[in-house]
Amino acid sequence: DAKTTQPPSMDCAEGRAANLPCNHSTISGNEYVYWYRQIHSQGPQYIIHGLKNNETNEMASLIITEDRKSSTLILPHATLRDTAVYYCIVHTGSGGSNYKLTFGKGTLLTVNP
Amino acid sequence: EAGVVQSPRYKIIEKKQPVAFWCNPISGHNTLYWYLQNLGQGPELLIRYENEEAVDDSQLPKDRFSAERLKGVDSTLKIQPAELGDSAVYLCASSLDYRDEQFFGPGTRLTVL
Repeated sequence: DAKTTQPPSMDCAEGRAANLPCNHSTISGNEYVYWYRQIHSQGPQYIIHGLKNNETNEMASLIITEDRKSSTLILPHATLRDTAVYYCIVHTGSGGSNYKLTFGKGTLLTVNP
Repeated sequence: EAGVVQSPRYKIIEKKQPVAFWCNPISGHNTLYWYLQNLGQGPELLIRYENEEAVDDSQLPKDRFSAERLKGVDSTLKIQPAELGDSAVYLCASSLDYRDEQFFGPGTRLTVL
């Protein structure tokens, strides 16, 4: 699976949009971009995933560049409860015994009042 | 609907002692995962089950770690004997299918003294 690069930390003001970048320059054509987040002392939580097109759900939006080498997770109106480590994972959707998510260190997003 | 249940939440043992962690996945989820998370790192997959079958245990240190998922529902992860380096959070996750989003439990924090 392609490796990802994320900034180690970011700050955001409460009520503002949080834009979390992720670089995945070696992504292959069949690899998806997944985002999970982990609030302190909890297990990771799935946010969103996409292949080529931009995606939106009740939690966030995912913007993938046309060349697919980078993406941005957008939390439109960040709240204090969005303070967490955000993981960007690039992963093939194919199956087999090697199917697994590989988590990096992620980005610690701190939402400030 | 109940999420993934793990017990205990915290465990403190002395080195060389055995320890076991229990996980009850979300009802109907065929795939179950055990992850290890060291401080400041993302989760790392130890083993993945499809129903009763362990389809990926390549990262499980089999000299001291064992796991089982009898009847394809709940699962137990055991360490015997524990070493100081095993101090970490052990996370259980489940999904409907291996291609679906994973739902994580709160984890068990193990401290080996």
